[in-house]
Amino acid sequence: AQTVTQSQPEMSVQEAETVTLSCTYDTSESDYYLFWYKQPPSRQMILVIRQEAYKQQNATENRFSVNFQKAAKSFSLKISDSQLGDAAMYFCAYSSGTYKYIFGTGTRLKVLA
Amino acid sequence: GAGVSQSPRYKVAKRGQDVALRCDPISGHVSLFWYQQALGQGPEFLTYFQNEAQLDKSGLPSDRFFAERPEGSVSTLKIQRTQQEDSAVYLCASSLWGNHPYEQYFGPGTRLTVT
Repeated sequence: AQTVTQSQPEMSVQEAETVTLSCTYDTSESDYYLFWYKQPPSRQMILVIRQEAYKQQNATENRFSVNFQKAAKSFSLKISDSQLGDAAMYFCAYSSGTYKYIFGTGTRLKVLA
Repeated sequence: GAGVSQSPRYKVAKRGQDVALRCDPISGHVSLFWYQQALGQGPEFLTYFQNEAQLDKSGLPSDRFFAERPEGSVSTLKIQRTQQEDSAVYLCASSLWGNHPYEQYFGPGTRLTVT
């Protein structure tokens, strides 16, 4: 069975600095998708970034980028130039491409002014 | 355009009561998902619809949980004889099959508290 592990329950970063959130997963599939979702206190899950396993190039969306290491089954999220609005719970999610997501337990990110 | 909406946003039920949670997916989205998110945890899959067909209900925790999507759009998650362990946020998500592959759009959730 596939599993997703986020080993950092909470992280803090100074405004304008860079922070990296860790995620590891376990799967026997060769083709799958990985996601980072942001969940602010409003509870609305918002897609931050997506990575297809068959792509070697790391995905980037503005200040957000990933370090995807397929052999190590690692998928970390780097947030550059952190802003107060980045404060939220961040969830790493795995999908084998069928339908359901498997989520990690989340990392609470605090941004310090 | 409108996103996924859920109602009610908050529901308090006494133990033993039945509840119904509604999800309005994004118009035209074929796939619909329900997740349960316990406090301090990530969402866990409950069930999946493709149009009106419930293709996977393997995540439903007991036979007290029932979901339907009779016309392939709005979905209702029903919990009968609620128990305290049912207290959680229930998230609905929808996906446009084949457009942005496997990207799910989430609603704001319904927070259920069973007293």
